[in-house]
Amino acid sequence: DAGVIQSPRHEVTEMGQEVTLRCKPISGHDYLFWYRQTMMRGLELLIYFNNNVPIDDSGMPEDRFSAKMPNASFSTLKIQPSEPRDSAVYFCASSEKGQSSSYEQYFGPGTRLTVT
Amino acid sequence: QKEVEQDPGPLSVPEGAIVSLNCTYSNSAFQYFMWYRQYSRKGPELLMYTYSSGNKEDGRFTAQVDKSSKYISLFIRDSQPSDSATYLCAIQGYSTLTFGKGTMLLVSP
Repeated sequence: DAGVIQSPRHEVTEMGQEVTLRCKPISGHDYLFWYRQTMMRGLELLIYFNNNVPIDDSGMPEDRFSAKMPNASFSTLKIQPSEPRDSAVYFCASSEKGQSSSYEQYFGPGTRLTVT
Repeated sequence: QKEVEQDPGPLSVPEGAIVSLNCTYSNSAFQYFMWYRQYSRKGPELLMYTYSSGNKEDGRFTAQVDKSSKYISLFIRDSQPSDSATYLCAIQGYSTLTFGKGTMLLVSP
């Protein structure tokens, strides 16, 4: 398996523009997570899905952020309008429930977003 | 108080040193404790995990959990320059993980 795939790897955009980040989870995984990582706040969970259904979006910072998972192999995180404080690395991760009830999450390479 | 606290470092050691990385947590209900390693400009990857209290060893790495003091540790023996990375502790809730901010480790040859 190719692992979790994210695109684009880098995104530079101007304030006010719409940004769409994409993720393809590992085949067979039924959980998908979106994280944001900054030096100040570390790795923060934004939202997660189970079987394509959003379970908890309490980490989404504002209404400018939205996420969808139309099918088991694709998810998007959209920011509209973008602001300079949204600059961060955004990670997508996927997992399945292990036999021991542990949840090993497999992370993608991340999208480095810069909003000017 | 944050759920998971971790010293950001950086921690600089010479090659061959024993490294100790630590986290504290606040929620006593947590059962699974994980360590992720993140190389520069890469995504985190699971290094090892432990269930409840006790030790777990994997090669040069030992993970230790003390639930009575809500303290988790990762020990690296015979550290190598290739161990230079950021190490994040993670605590599992129902189906999600809460991460510490990570400790940057630098191992010099």
